[in-house]
Amino acid sequence: SQQGEEDPQALSIQEGENATMNCSYKTSINNLQWYRQNSGRGLVHLILIRSNEREKHSGRLRVTLDTSKKSSSLLITASRAADTASYFCATFGTGGFKTIFGAGTRLFVKA
Amino acid sequence: SQTIHQWPATLVQPVGSPLSLECTVEGTSNPNLYWYRQAAGRGLQLLFYSVGIGQISSEVPQNLSASRPQDRQFILSSKKLLLSDSGFYLCAWRSGSGNTIYFGEGSWLTVV
Repeated sequence: SQQGEEDPQALSIQEGENATMNCSYKTSINNLQWYRQNSGRGLVHLILIRSNEREKHSGRLRVTLDTSKKSSSLLITASRAADTASYFCATFGTGGFKTIFGAGTRLFVKA
Repeated sequence: SQTIHQWPATLVQPVGSPLSLECTVEGTSNPNLYWYRQAAGRGLQLLFYSVGIGQISSEVPQNLSASRPQDRQFILSSKKLLLSDSGFYLCAWRSGSGNTIYFGEGSWLTVV
């Protein structure tokens, strides 16, 4: 079964608003990553947060991690129409080679 | 710099026909290699991963198979395609010491 599960499945906002996506996972992890996928393309890595970190920033992206709740959130501030894409969380477990992706959140940013 | 190539980009195949999708990585050695499948509007399903030449781990029992004949080459195959094999197939790699997964541009497969 998939390790990460994103919530919501779809999100529609106006340009300039903030977008928050959540991810839950089931087992112990070394790190959690967020990826972006434009329609019909491959995924692109956005940001990684390690299991001993609680918050990380990169430009307009802010990621939090709560290992006690096995959850993470991705916040995109001041969204733009170009942020329209699907966003996936991915977990890389301890002692393994597999990276498991969730079902993704489809973000629509209206101009 | 490292690059990943995946082909063909699109293909339409009849039910029962064979399949071969190929992926190569440049600029790195001994990468971990992955095949994922994505149904329309859905998440990624890990199909196979490989940590070295000839070493294949299968995540989902099905009529697909994978091979790694060379260090930076990963092939996804099927002897007889099913309608349910339709989807978007993504090859990816990760360095042995790294965490980030790098994806190819994907192959759209439609089985008719």
